[in-house]
Parts: sequence; structure tokens; C-alpha cells
Amino acid sequence: DTGVSQDPRHKITKRGQNVTFRCDPISEHNRLYWYRQTLGQGPEFLTYFQNEAQLEKSRLLSDRFSAERPKGSFSTLEIQRTEQGDSAMYLCASSPASSGRDNEQFFGPGTRLTVL
Amino acid sequence: GESVGLHLPTLSVQEGDNSIINCAYSNSASDYFIWYKQESGKGPQFIIDIRSNMDKRQGQRVTVLLNKTVKHLSLQIAATQPGDSAVYFCAETRLYGNNRLAFGKGNQVVVIP
Repeated sequence: DTGVSQDPRHKITKRGQNVTFRCDPISEHNRLYWYRQTLGQGPEFLTYFQNEAQLEKSRLLSDRFSAERPKGSFSTLEIQRTEQGDSAMYLCASSPASSGRDNEQFFGPGTRLTVL
Repeated sequence: GESVGLHLPTLSVQEGDNSIINCAYSNSASDYFIWYKQESGKGPQFIIDIRSNMDKRQGQRVTVLLNKTVKHLSLQIAATQPGDSAVYFCAETRLYGNNRLAFGKGNQVVVIP
């Protein structure tokens, strides 16, 4: 399967714990995005990488959240001191860095986080 | 698993009938629009896109219509099949820049066999 993959698919943690999610984009896709989706809502943009550079962060991304893409390939999203309000599906998407049709973002299956 | 479609507007359609899903977008500067399909427990899946210089685009069994005057998108699915049951989202963005997607409210489609 050459699509976007995410790990883990499900994570249950206790409030106050740290969690880290991983995203492996489609090979050679320069752009990588993180979104968050709560039940019944559409995904909301969190942050975006062009290669290894994090170029934009949403105001939704509090200082407890940090994302990295150290070698311009896979990315990690860490949440420190988790809160119940962090419970959501965390989606990763990737796309080639060119305009037009290639703007399509390919989504991974998501990581479902439940904070108890 | 959990359903993404809880508390969403729901369209129930008989198998074989046509479906129409509507979406209002918010940013008049958006120039690229995409429809995504999301099944329970999965990430959004691309269906069809359209640029702002077009008002209609057709794919296989799907058609997207864009009305920039009233900032409205619609997705038409012809001959709806059970596999079309899912939540559908429209998303808007700008072709140049970071292309961050802004998603609209989802619409759940339930196909009755």
C-alpha cells in the first residue's frame, strides 16, 4: 500500500500523559498536513510542512502540541499533558508541491485519541 | 466503530436514485474546491475537485456544480449505490499558498437497498 499511513490507529491515554503520533506520507510528497476531527465535524487544520520546514500553525495548536518532520519524510505530532478536550481523530494528509490538480491532499486513516 | 455521521444532516436515498448534496463555502477568495467522502473509521477520500474558473465538472457518476455568486457547491451522485453510504464534506482552499483545506459541515448519505 503506497498511501498515507498513520500509527497508531487508536490511542487511549489518561489525562496528563504525553502521546506521540506518526504519519508516513506518500513517497516524494513534499507537503504534509495535520488536521483534527471531532465527532460530527469536518477536519480542522492544525499545521503544515513543506519538506522539513513547518510553515504554518493554526491557533488551535496550543503550546502543548508540537509537530516535527525532521528529514522531510515522516512526521510526528506530540501532545503533552493531554486533556479530555484533546480527544479526537488526528488526520495526516500529504500532497505534491505543485499547483493545479496536484493540490489534492491524500489523507491517512487517522489516529483516534481518547483521553480518559 | 464510531460513526463520523452522528448529528449530521442525513440524506436517505433509494439505491439507483440520484443524490444531491449541497454545501455553502465561506471564503470568497477560495479558488479550488474539493468533495471528500468519509466512511466510518477512515480518513477522507477524494471524490472530485473543481477550480473557480469552472462552474461544472463531471467525473464517473459524480458531478460538481459551483456557483460563485452565492458561494455554493453541490455534488450530484448518479445511480447511487450502497457503497456510496458515507459522510460527504466539501472543502475549500486557494491554489497558491499553503493549500490548507477548510471543510464545510458534513452530510451523511444513507443508501437504502
